[in-house]
Amino acid sequence: EVQLVETGGGLVQPGRSLKLSCVASGFTFNNYWMSWTRQAPGKGLEWVASITNSGGSTYYPDSVKGRFTISRDNAQNTLYLQMNSLRSEDTATYYCTREGPFAYWGQGTLVTVSS
Amino acid sequence: DIQMTQSPSSMSASLGDRVTITCRASQDIGNYLSWFQQKPGKSPRRMIYGATNLAAGVPSRFSGSRSGSDYSLTISSLESEDMAIYYCLQSIQYPWTFGGGTKLELK
Repeated sequence: EVQLVETGGGLVQPGRSLKLSCVASGFTFNNYWMSWTRQAPGKGLEWVASITNSGGSTYYPDSVKGRFTISRDNAQNTLYLQMNSLRSEDTATYYCTREGPFAYWGQGTLVTVSS
Repeated sequence: DIQMTQSPSSMSASLGDRVTITCRASQDIGNYLSWFQQKPGKSPRRMIYGATNLAAGVPSRFSGSRSGSDYSLTISSLESEDMAIYYCLQSIQYPWTFGGGTKLELK
């Protein structure tokens, strides 16, 4: 059974940093591209970042480019999202997803950016 | 960026009704279109991929179709468990973009 478990969310002040983790199980992690997608409270879905299976290439929308970094540790079956210079508009539940596309989703972790 | 215009934004229907939700792409996306279902407090679930392919475990009353730049999700006979918000997604070109969502409620 495919499982994606996100951790690392919480309350953070504007301008500060936070790093999310997603531990994957139930599939061969290094065979799949992975992504992060977010959902602001009461709003729709927004794709945030994707990474190739080797980690050699990454992709971001303009809204987070230069502030967020997606990475992975294939030996540890773990996906990361480093979020810097956080803004109030980054407040959202962040989901880890496996490509297919978005064939599987984690339960999400809530990030709240507020002073 | 490719815009995905989803309609309607909300709708109400009765049990047993045939329901259709549509997304229109602002550029050619081929069949790189997926549909997701999200119930309150839950993570989204993929229902359709490649515009017409049913994801594993999804009931056969769900189907996807394409007509030009219009993509549709159809529920052939609505059941109570289908009440949810539905989103489309294009994944042919970065940034990948979702439609605004359709909230499906029971009449």
